[in-house]
Amino acid sequence: DIQMTQSPSLLSASVGDRVTINCKASQNINKYLNWYQQKLGEAPKLLIYNTNNLQTGIPSRFSGSGSGTDYTLTISSLQPEDFGTYFCFQHNSWPLTFGSGTKLEIK
Amino acid sequence: QIQLVQSGPELKKPGESLKISCKASGYTFTDYAMQWVKQAPGKGLQYMGWINTQTGKPTYADDFKERFVFSLETSASTAYLQINNLKNEDTATYFCTAPFDYWGQGVMVTVSS
Repeated sequence: DIQMTQSPSLLSASVGDRVTINCKASQNINKYLNWYQQKLGEAPKLLIYNTNNLQTGIPSRFSGSGSGTDYTLTISSLQPEDFGTYFCFQHNSWPLTFGSGTKLEIK
Repeated sequence: QIQLVQSGPELKKPGESLKISCKASGYTFTDYAMQWVKQAPGKGLQYMGWINTQTGKPTYADDFKERFVFSLETSASTAYLQINNLKNEDTATYFCTAPFDYWGQGVMVTVSS
């Protein structure tokens, strides 16, 4: 199984900060990497699909990059509504797997 | 617009069974496979598997090969997750998603004696 190691697990940042969240796969996932945001009591929301494609309706301050085994989600200027938990998800190889999550707190 | 609407919360005893529904609207049901995801309280997301909405063939991740059954009622654009012989560790929220873009609101399942 492909292991997705996500870091950091907890992140505290201020409004306006540039924030990066990382996901490392245990093997090449060929850019089949999605990023989700989840708020308490809600379903995950797709932000980025296939590494760097912004889902419709998602603000352009969110971006994704990476290749091979290393992937990054960047929020260019953190907004108060960006708090929540972020998950990466690989859909290259069976079984599909999620990262363990990054809890983003706003200072 | 595309919507996945799931059934309501469940409270069950160990050993019982339950069946969760996920009704799709806003698209042709057979265009996308239906995926299922588990989230235990305070934990991350765990991929359970998927069902081919054209053939009805389910595929389960290893942790979900026993006791879990994916099924369809295509005429009603509805997918189902059945869990048999419930255990305490099945306490979780269960999401349907198609094709990872659109998510149901989740069903909270509590298993307690």
